[in-house]
Amino acid sequence: NAGVTQTPKFQVLKTGQSMTLQCAQDMNHEYMSWYRQDPGMGLRLIHYSVGAGITDQGEVPNGYNVSRSTTEDFPLRLLSAAPSQTSVYFCASSYSRGFETQYFGPGTRLLVL
Amino acid sequence: KNEVEQSPQNLTAQEGEFITINCSYSVGISALHWLQQHPGGGIVSLFMLSSGKKKHGRLIATINIQEKHSSLHITASHPRDSAVYICAVSNSYNTDKLIFGTGTRLQVFP
Repeated sequence: NAGVTQTPKFQVLKTGQSMTLQCAQDMNHEYMSWYRQDPGMGLRLIHYSVGAGITDQGEVPNGYNVSRSTTEDFPLRLLSAAPSQTSVYFCASSYSRGFETQYFGPGTRLLVL
Repeated sequence: KNEVEQSPQNLTAQEGEFITINCSYSVGISALHWLQQHPGGGIVSLFMLSSGKKKHGRLIATINIQEKHSSLHITASHPRDSAVYICAVSNSYNTDKLIFGTGTRLQVFP
C-alpha cells in the first residue's frame, strides 16, 4: 500500500493564481482531512470529510475549497492564492472518524509570491 | 490561551537520558494523540489514548483525564529520537476535529 500520497511536493505560485493540491489514499479510509502547518503554530484543520460526498469546514477554511467525489481522493483547491497561504500542507486519513489514528501524507510546501 | 499546551517547547538531552514531554488541554476530549515529526517533515502517529497508559518499545504515553494532562516518556533516549513531538486532542463536542499543540522540539546528542 502507498498509504497517503500528496502531489506536488513543492509549488511556487504568484498571487491570484489558482491551483489544486492532490491527496489520495489506498487504505479505504472514510475520513480525510487537510491541515496547514505554519512556524510557531500547531497544525490547523482546513477542511475534512467523513465520506464520499460529505465535506465540512475546519478551523481555517477561508480561501480553500474541497470536494470528495470518491473515497480515495480529497483535493484541496486554492481559488486565488494569497501570500498568507504560504505554508506546508498535510493531508491525513483515518478509518472512519477524526478521533482515530491518523495517517499523514508527506506534505506539500507552497510558496505564494 | 491555546486549548492544547505543550511543555517544554525545546528540549536537549544526552543519549541515554529519560525524557518527559508534557501536554495539558482545556477542553473535554474523546481521545488524545501523540505524533512525531522528523526533520524531513513526515508526521507519524505514535499513540492514541483515552485513558491509562500505553507502551511501545522505549516510548510510554500516559493520560490523566481528571487533570486534563498527558505525558510522553522516552526511556534510554537515542539521537534518532530527535524530532518534534506533537500532542493533539479530539474535542468531545466534535470528535472529527483535532486540535494540535505547537510541538516540543527534542534534540538528543551522542
